Amino acid sequence: KNQVEQSPQSLIILEGKNCTLQCNYTVSPFSNLRWYKQDTGRGPVSLTIMTFSENTKSNGRYTATLDADTKQSSLHITASQLSDSASYICVVSELTGGGNKLTFGTGTQLKVEL
Amino acid sequence: DAGVTQSPTHLIKTRGQQVTLRCSPISGHKSVSWYQQVLGQGPQFIFQYYEKEERGRGNFPDRFSARQFPNYSSELNVNALLLGDSALYLCASSLAGGSSYNEQFFGPGTRLTVL
Repeated sequence: KNQVEQSPQSLIILEGKNCTLQCNYTVSPFSNLRWYKQDTGRGPVSLTIMTFSENTKSNGRYTATLDADTKQSSLHITASQLSDSASYICVVSELTGGGNKLTFGTGTQLKVEL
Repeated sequence: DAGVTQSPTHLIKTRGQQVTLRCSPISGHKSVSWYQQVLGQGPQFIFQYYEKEERGRGNFPDRFSARQFPNYSSELNVNALLLGDSALYLCASSLAGGSSYNEQFFGPGTRLTVL
């Protein structure tokens, strides 16, 4: 069964600090991995998308890494801001003949405090 | 240009009732996917439609059904509601349904509460 596991489940950091969120997956065959940011009660917003051949991708203060051999990904947030408080969801796409089949992790709930 | 829109934003129903949720994709997008997100969990895939045809279905009972209209908008129907159907229902649109790389853009969701 395809699974995506994220850690930690929740995290509290001080404003200005860095943090790293982890994602392990068993989805196969692998197509791509996405990180989404989801504010409470809102739809997820895409941060990065990485294919098999990409190891690192940045979007402002967000940097995602991918190790397709070990099936692990991380999302690093630099110089955190209060507005970074949200759920961060790792999503892995399965390579199919047609249609998108995405497996979502349960998310890491990040809270940034003063 | 508007993003993905969903209606209604909130809905309260009682057990056994039926509900219809609506989604309008981003202009030019031909694929719509539906997800159920229970509080504290990640979204679970329900359906994907592309060019008015079902392209994928998740592990949900037959009480869940959907359709896509010629203008690419979509409806999700849930019959015989159960308490466990209470969730945030997300709609996502993408340009096409044939490639797993197509980025999906999510709407704000419809919060369904079943009493």
